[in-house]
Amino acid sequence: NFMLTQPHSVSESPGKTVTISCTRSSGSIANNYVQWYQQRPGSSPTSLIYDDSQRPSGVPSRFSGSIDSSSNSASLTISGLKTADEADYYCQSYDSSNRWVFGGGTKLTVL
Amino acid sequence: QVQLQESGPGLVKPSETLSLTCTVSGGSISTYSWTWIRQPPGKGLEWIGYMFNSGYTNNNPSLRSRVTMSLHTSKNQFSLKLSSVTAADTAMYYCARGAVAYNIDVWGKGTTVTVSS
Repeated sequence: NFMLTQPHSVSESPGKTVTISCTRSSGSIANNYVQWYQQRPGSSPTSLIYDDSQRPSGVPSRFSGSIDSSSNSASLTISGLKTADEADYYCQSYDSSNRWVFGGGTKLTVL
Repeated sequence: QVQLQESGPGLVKPSETLSLTCTVSGGSISTYSWTWIRQPPGKGLEWIGYMFNSGYTNNNPSLRSRVTMSLHTSKNQFSLKLSSVTAADTAMYYCARGAVAYNIDVWGKGTTVTVSS
């Protein structure tokens, strides 16, 4: 099966834009949709992006998702960073048998 | 607004079976996919498996032989049983709903399970 690799941590200042990558180890990133989840400290995860770039209702447009076949990766971009965006972010996809794979998670610090 | 709540023993002895229930309120369990995910202390998310009302299930290959999932439509609940537990199964366990087989749109708050004698 494939792996999804995320940076362990990223940091950026309030008001800035940050991008978190999620690189697929084998097989094309475009083969299977990528989802993104946010987990604030002490809370359960919430759904942020589904189907590569779709936002569930209620998720601000500051959050956007994309995929890049050339780097075989997905990206989560957060613009206009707020301190409330400090959280762990996980990407998730699935294989041809619909078995799920999670990335290891990225800790975002807004300082 | 649909809500999910996990419940079950917080402490399980090694080699025993972990049993958890997810109660769904504000929506029917007869549609959507229903998923279990766990998170060991200080670590990332791990997919356990999901099932549909049809009875179709799909589990993590690393856990497959130990996992049993069930839907209880009359009670609007779904359950997880994980047999032969070890300390490595200590984790926060989340139930979740998916619009399709490969994603989640609603998460439960999670329940902590510790495996210890």
